[in-house]
Amino acid sequence: KAGVTQTPRYLIKTRGQQVTLSCSPISGHRSVSWYQQTPGQGLQFLFEYFSETQRNKGNFPGRFSGRQFSNSRSEMNVSTLELGDSALYLCASSPGRGGTGELFFGEGSRLTVL
Amino acid sequence: GQNIDQPTEMTATEGAIVQINCTYQTSGFNGLFWYQQHAGEAPTFLSYNVLDGLEEKGRFSSFLSRSKGYSYLLLKELQMKDSASYLCAVKGDYKLSFGAGTTVTVRA
Repeated sequence: KAGVTQTPRYLIKTRGQQVTLSCSPISGHRSVSWYQQTPGQGLQFLFEYFSETQRNKGNFPGRFSGRQFSNSRSEMNVSTLELGDSALYLCASSPGRGGTGELFFGEGSRLTVL
Repeated sequence: GQNIDQPTEMTATEGAIVQINCTYQTSGFNGLFWYQQHAGEAPTFLSYNVLDGLEEKGRFSSFLSRSKGYSYLLLKELQMKDSASYLCAVKGDYKLSFGAGTTVTVRA
């Protein structure tokens, strides 16, 4: 069974630009969550999607947005990039119903903003 | 909101035992997870506790006390490959919230 796939793995942008990151969950998983990971803050919850609907949202500005498609693939977008947005963005999938709620993570997209 | 605290760093010798503590305050509790993350890699699931007590899985054990808002991860017979970051995560009402992680360094 293929794991969670995130693209691109690495990218460099400049301030003011926007970026779109993609996540393909494990087959059959309907829930996708996004996290931002920085050295000092650890993993910060961005949002969760289930069946194309945003189920929960963390405390991030409106520049951070996302969506989920009918095949459960998800994208997140960050507009008007700031230096502080440099981070590892992790996507995680889970079945979404029942079970322990264990998350299966992708290897992340490392964004550097110059 | 949720507040999850764990030590920043720990160092131990190969073959030894290390205990990583995690304290939490949450609005709602639906389980506590431990994840392992090697540098440059994705976090991977280690353990899950939802009831008080000890869960043992090979060299790793995890303990939970809901009344104290406390958990620990016990790593026994440490190996060099155990050098990694260990993340404590609490499932609240609707999301999984993570601590900042504990970096464990295993020395020969």
